[in-house]
Amino acid sequence: AQSVTQPDIHITVSEGASLELRCNYSYGATPYLFWYVQSPGQGLQLLLKYFSGDTLVQGIKGFEAEFKRSQSSFNLRKPSVHWSDAAEYFCAVGVIFGKGTRLHILP
Amino acid sequence: DAGVIQSPRHEVTEMGQEVTLRCKPISGHNSLFWYRQTMMRGLELLIYFNNNVPIDDSGMPEDRFSAKMPNASFSTLKIQPSEPRDSAVYFCASTMGGGRAGEKLFFGSGTQLSVL
Repeated sequence: AQSVTQPDIHITVSEGASLELRCNYSYGATPYLFWYVQSPGQGLQLLLKYFSGDTLVQGIKGFEAEFKRSQSSFNLRKPSVHWSDAAEYFCAVGVIFGKGTRLHILP
Repeated sequence: DAGVIQSPRHEVTEMGQEVTLRCKPISGHNSLFWYRQTMMRGLELLIYFNNNVPIDDSGMPEDRFSAKMPNASFSTLKIQPSEPRDSAVYFCASTMGGGRAGEKLFFGSGTQLSVL
């Protein structure tokens, strides 16, 4: 069965600092991997996705993620966060989601 | 294009009452998903439809929950009778493609349900 683990419930970083949100998955075949972002009171919006090919994928808003098959990971990164990045971030394998990581930004 | 439309945005009801949540998927999408979001459990997949047919309802918590999709442009999630532990945000999502492999999902804004 598919499952997704996001080990960090909350992450706090300073504005301008780099960010990495962790995601580990369990899936028997080649996974279809996604990162979504949820702003307060809103639905989820796709940031990026990985199906095949280059293991480093670029998304919207300056985010990127790297697929590492050997580690069953698909971590989300951003070199320099902005206050507007404060939100909840969800990793997904197909249509199965992790519990999310809430990102807080310090001014 | 209009996105996925859910109604109502907020629902407050008393324990024991019937609750019906509604969803209109994006036109042309043939898969529809219902999710429940809580602090404790995160985003749980309840049920999904493909071409209006329920494919997997293993996430439906119990018989009090039921979902229908009478046509390609409308779906309902019903809770009867409702209980306080059903309080959550319920999301509907739709996509092209036919299954769980994961095309990009388009989410509605959700229904915040409070059962008193």
